[in-house]
Amino acid sequence: GNSVTQMEGPVTLSEEAFLTINCTYTATGYPSLFWYVQYPGEGLQLLLKATKADDKGSNKGFEATYRKETTSFHLEKGSVQVSDSAVYFCALSGQTGANNLFFGTGTRLTVIP
Amino acid sequence: DTGVSQNPRHKITKRGQNVTFRCDPISEHNRLYWYRQTLGQGPEFLTYFQNEAQLEKSRLLSDRFSAERPKGSFSTLEIQRTEQGDSAMYLCASSLAEAANYGYTFGSGTRLTVV
Repeated sequence: GNSVTQMEGPVTLSEEAFLTINCTYTATGYPSLFWYVQYPGEGLQLLLKATKADDKGSNKGFEATYRKETTSFHLEKGSVQVSDSAVYFCALSGQTGANNLFFGTGTRLTVIP
Repeated sequence: DTGVSQNPRHKITKRGQNVTFRCDPISEHNRLYWYRQTLGQGPEFLTYFQNEAQLEKSRLLSDRFSAERPKGSFSTLEIQRTEQGDSAMYLCASSLAEAANYGYTFGSGTRLTVV
């Protein structure tokens, strides 16, 4: 079946520190992979995506590379800001036309000045 | 377009009461999804519609839950005889069917508290 395992939090970093949030997955076929972000009191926003192996998704300084050989999609950012404080969810969808997303449990990031 | 809109934002209800939530998707999106998110967990799929047809329901969707999308536009999710375990954030999302594999647009959710 499909599942996502995400690095447990919470994660606390100082501003300008390097961020890595680990995500590994189990899936049948060739899933698409996503990172969603949830700011306090808000819904989920799509942060970045990758639809096939070796694709790199990037947005707002965040990056993640779809690694089929290690079934991973780790989120990275070179220099975090206080405004990046949020909960980050790794997710996968099934093959083309898949009907739903499978989410990890989320990782709460707090960035302190 | 203002994105996916959900109402109400918060709902407090007594155990045993019925509640109904509404979701207005992005107007050109033909797919609409409902998810449930409990504290400290990721969202879990409940059901989805393509146009007005409900095409899939999760095992999480007990017979106390019913969802409709009567004209293929907005959708409602009703919970009958609410229980404390129903307390959660209920999220709605929408997408184009042909772009579903590229991610969804989520609303801000309806937070339900059953007391």
